[in-house]
Amino acid sequence: AQTVTQSQPEMSVQEAETVTLSCTYDTSENNYYLFWYKQPPSRQMILVIRQEAYKQQNATENRFSVNFQKAAKSFSLKISDSQLGDTAMYFCAFMKQAGGRFGAGTRLTVKP
Amino acid sequence: DVKVTQSSRYLVKRTGEKVFLECVQDMDHENMFWYRQDPGLGLRLIYFSYDVKMKEKGDIPEGYSVSREKKERFSLILESASTNQTSMYLCASSLWDSRNQPQHFGDGTRLSIL
Repeated sequence: AQTVTQSQPEMSVQEAETVTLSCTYDTSENNYYLFWYKQPPSRQMILVIRQEAYKQQNATENRFSVNFQKAAKSFSLKISDSQLGDTAMYFCAFMKQAGGRFGAGTRLTVKP
Repeated sequence: DVKVTQSSRYLVKRTGEKVFLECVQDMDHENMFWYRQDPGLGLRLIYFSYDVKMKEKGDIPEGYSVSREKKERFSLILESASTNQTSMYLCASSLWDSRNQPQHFGDGTRLSIL
C-alpha cells in the first residue's frame, strides 16, 4: 500500500522569502506521478505542480518547484518569493488509477 | 475551466438518517472520486468510479455507498448516518488516466451529524 507522509503540520514564512515543504512516500511501483495541491482557506483545492517519476528533471511552475529524490522517495515543494496569497493547506499526493493517496497536509502561513 | 459542483456547502443531519451528497462535473471526465477530509489525516478515498454504473471501494468505504447513473453525476450515500461521519467531504473528477491527470475538486460539503 502507498503511504504519503508530511512531517510538518504547520509552517510560517515571511513575505518574499523562500520556504520548503517536505513530503515522503512509500511505494513499490516504478512508474508513478506525484502532485502538490493547495487548499486556500474556505476555497477549492487546486493543483500546484506535478512530477512524473520517470523524469529526472525536477518540475517547475513559476515560483513553485520540487526537489524529487526518487531513491529516497522524497518530494519536497519549494515556494520562492512567498506571497500572502500562498497562505493555504498544502497536500502532497501520490496518484494511482484508483484515486490518490494524500498526506495529512502542511498549513502554511505567509506573514507580511 | 472544469467545474465540479457539490450540491451543499454545509449540511446538518441527525444520527440514523439516510444522507445524500451530490456531485456534478461538466467536463465529461471518466473518473469521479469521493474523499473525506479530517484534520491531521488529510484526504482519504471513500469510493471512486471510472464509468457509469461502475464503482470501486477506496480506503474507507464502510458506512458509505455510491451511485453513478449518469457520467456527470456521482452521489455519495450515508445509509445510516453516525456521528463519526461528521467531516468535510470532497468530490473530484479527472480524465481517464488519473495517475497523471490532475484531479479537479469541488468546494466541499461540511457535514455535521448530530
